[in-house]
Amino acid sequence: EAQVTQNPRYLITVTGKKLTVTCSQNMNHEYMSWYRQDPGLGLRQIYYSMNVEVTDKGDVPEGYKVSRKEKRNFPLILESPSPNQTSLYFCASSTRTGLITGELFFGEGSRLTVL
Amino acid sequence: KQEVTQIPAALSVPEGENLVLNCSFTDSAIYNLQWFRQDPGKGLTSLLLIQSSQREQTSGRLNASLDKSSGRSTLYIAASQPGDSATYLCAVYTSGTYKYIFGTGTRLKVLA
Repeated sequence: EAQVTQNPRYLITVTGKKLTVTCSQNMNHEYMSWYRQDPGLGLRQIYYSMNVEVTDKGDVPEGYKVSRKEKRNFPLILESPSPNQTSLYFCASSTRTGLITGELFFGEGSRLTVL
Repeated sequence: KQEVTQIPAALSVPEGENLVLNCSFTDSAIYNLQWFRQDPGKGLTSLLLIQSSQREQTSGRLNASLDKSSGRSTLYIAASQPGDSATYLCAVYTSGTYKYIFGTGTRLKVLA
């Protein structure tokens, strides 16, 4: 089954404790991206990757890091989480032809609470 | 900077009605536009993808149109059903940025 898998789905942590949210897709997609969803603000793009070893900032990258060492995986790293990073996070992937992407497939989301 | 607006923010209709959801964007230089459905506590499911060269796409009871020059897209849902109740979001993939910009969605409730 084609899918984007995120882990953990739910996490409560404390300020400053490094954490990683994993994202894996089994569709051989080149394009992957991370979003956060907050009430009243909608979905905002954090980082995206056009291919292995190619990543770039979205609209809200502060406080986050990513890496793309393999095509299927695109982890989101919070080096020193703060309460304002409490949010619902989504990973997504799609095909890519040149600069144009295809249908976006989303994971189920990871709800993060930073105390 | 691209901005995407969806109006109305919420909509409640009786079952069986045909309805139109609106999405407007400020920068017409887009590669594509997608419509998604999001159920409470769930991820987003892609409904329709319209490339910039296309005018519309259809899937079952759904039809999405795109007018790039006026910065508008509409999602038409025919013969609405209670199972259509969800939040509907549109997103544009803007030329030169490789980023998706999402609208804040229309929360639809179809009453039985």
